Amino acid sequence: GIQVEQSPPDLILQEGANSTLRCNFSDSVNNLQWFHQNPWGQLINLFYIPSGTKQNGRLSATTVATERYSLLYISSSQTTDSGVYFCAVERYNDMRFGAGTRLTVKP
Amino acid sequence: GAVVSQHPSWVICKSGTSVKIECRSLDFQATTMFWYRQFPKQSLMLMATSNEGSKATYEQGVEKDKFLINHASLTLSTLTVTSAHPEDSSFYICSARGQGANYYGYTFGSGTRLTVV
Repeated sequence: GIQVEQSPPDLILQEGANSTLRCNFSDSVNNLQWFHQNPWGQLINLFYIPSGTKQNGRLSATTVATERYSLLYISSSQTTDSGVYFCAVERYNDMRFGAGTRLTVKP
Repeated sequence: GAVVSQHPSWVICKSGTSVKIECRSLDFQATTMFWYRQFPKQSLMLMATSNEGSKATYEQGVEKDKFLINHASLTLSTLTVTSAHPEDSSFYICSARGQGANYYGYTFGSGTRLTVV
């Protein structure tokens, strides 16, 4: 099956800093989504981005499908951004998650 | 937007009993639903994929007789953990993929935290 690798596994930032999270995948995909899992376990959909670039407030994402990677940018981080960020890819009705990046933003 | 409702949010049960978890798509028809399992500080692992009206497809290593999945309608899928044991304690999350041009990607339920004592 398709392999999904996320980096870094852990990231500690000071409030106000910027960060970039990366997701590499091993094969072509039909769908790629970025999620934020909050402390209660809820998965919040951040972006549906099989290709191209999207922005939503302080967050933006870019997927380069031909090179099989996606980047999630977080600018001016806030403590509420803390949590685990997952990249998930779908190929032929089969969605797989990366191991996640655990982000801690310190005040 | 697309909403998936999952109940219960948490459940504690005695070893040997069965637990049913429901997953409903509230404002769209879900042709396919997925069930994931997540252990603490780990990623989500796909357990099974279910299509409305047909048998679920289980991932390798997932016991289909223990984790019964029913997808009887386009808006409801259920996961029943039969004869639960402490090692089944985990966070279970469902997701649904809608049909139609207005729905993109997957929508996840809020998850069910199962504790077997």
